[in-house]
Amino acid sequence: AQSVTQLGSHVSVSEGALVLLRCNYSSSVPPYLFWYVQYPNQGLQLLLKYTTGATLVKGINGFEAEFKKSETSFHLTKPSAHMSDAAEYFCAPTGANSKLTFGKGITLSVRP
Amino acid sequence: DSGVTQTPKHLITATGQRVTLRCSPRSGDLSVYWYQQSLDQGLQFLIQYYNGEERAKGNILERFSAQQFPDLHSELNLSSLELGDSALYFCASSRTSGPQETQYFGPGTRLLVL
Repeated sequence: AQSVTQLGSHVSVSEGALVLLRCNYSSSVPPYLFWYVQYPNQGLQLLLKYTTGATLVKGINGFEAEFKKSETSFHLTKPSAHMSDAAEYFCAPTGANSKLTFGKGITLSVRP
Repeated sequence: DSGVTQTPKHLITATGQRVTLRCSPRSGDLSVYWYQQSLDQGLQFLIQYYNGEERAKGNILERFSAQQFPDLHSELNLSSLELGDSALYFCASSRTSGPQETQYFGPGTRLLVL
């Protein structure tokens, strides 16, 4: 069974600052890992995913995440926050089956 | 635009009623998933269909049912509605049913039960 922990429900950064959103998973099988973003009143959009191969994954809008098996983590980062990054971010693994097991989500606020 | 469409966008109904939510997957996608997003439960997987067959079940209530039709669109039926069923219901689709596949989400149907 999959489970995921997203530390902190709300992260606030200044425009231009580093964004770091944490995700830790627990899994009985090697997971596939996804980050999705949800803008207000919209559906979820894939930012990036890890399946196999390179553990540093680059996504859209300048985001990237690194799969660290030893730490069971898949933290999301962006070097420089932009106002348009304000949204809710979800980490979600899949495993033996295809269902996404979503974390509680992190709301990112960007201060001007 | 993900290519996944959901209708209606909003639905207001009364307790005890029955509603049907509709989802059209991206062209060529065979797998459809339904998720529920509520303030207290977060985002939860309900059910998955692949090429017309039920593939996986999650936290779906017995009052809820779904199906996928030959043209691959899917419907989620919610009956004997309760106040607690008020939520955002998302449909997602993927090319195949594999766990590594990207799921593309529709804009959701917001259900309000009064």
